[in-house]
Amino acid sequence: NAGVTQTPKFRVLKTGQSMTLLCAQDMNHEYMYWYRQDPGMGLRLIHYSVGEGTTAKGEVPDGYNVSRLKKQNFLLGLESAAPSQTSVYFCASSYQTGAENTEAFFGQGTRLTVV
Amino acid sequence: AQTVTQSQPEMSVQEAETVTLSCTYDTSENNYYLFWYKQPPSRQMILVIRQEAYKQQNATENRFSVNFQKAAKSFSLKISDSQLGDTAMYFCAFMNLQGGSEKLVFGKGTKLTVNP
Repeated sequence: NAGVTQTPKFRVLKTGQSMTLLCAQDMNHEYMYWYRQDPGMGLRLIHYSVGEGTTAKGEVPDGYNVSRLKKQNFLLGLESAAPSQTSVYFCASSYQTGAENTEAFFGQGTRLTVV
Repeated sequence: AQTVTQSQPEMSVQEAETVTLSCTYDTSENNYYLFWYKQPPSRQMILVIRQEAYKQQNATENRFSVNFQKAAKSFSLKISDSQLGDTAMYFCAFMNLQGGSEKLVFGKGTKLTVNP
């Protein structure tokens, strides 16, 4: 049981380049989230999804796009990377809210540097 | 919008002593979950404890317990008999259960250092 897997683990981009971060979960979770973690800022929600084919904006959505074409996958895209997007990115998934013992399971994080 | 506030950016405690981390939140909803997550230097996010808002009894997990004050919108974490392995960032988080706004929102974290 792999849980939540993020690909890649590390990446260096040049300003203006594009890339896609992949999050895959094998727990049949409905909810998936993308966060960025910066020093002193905690985890800030970028986008989230409450089910296959649905996405919604979080606190800091600008400069990012997402897609949830399959229930198990949640993709985060950067169309034109900027140095301000240098961060550690976390994906998480959880059962439908209200389920007993619900919790969010996290991937191992992706360290992205934009130069 | 829901917000989570952790007012202590850093704390330290001596090994074997007790420490309490503070968390307050703001919501107009009545049905939600609260969590404490631990992030050690490995960067992995680990669930420490969970509290359902409809339960009046405070959650406990071994050395970890919470003081949940729903009216005051306060959710503090107490760590008893602190161990060196408890050194980590601790995040308080809120999950709304109302349909259409099931976001999971985090505070900025408290860096806890356990000293030998």
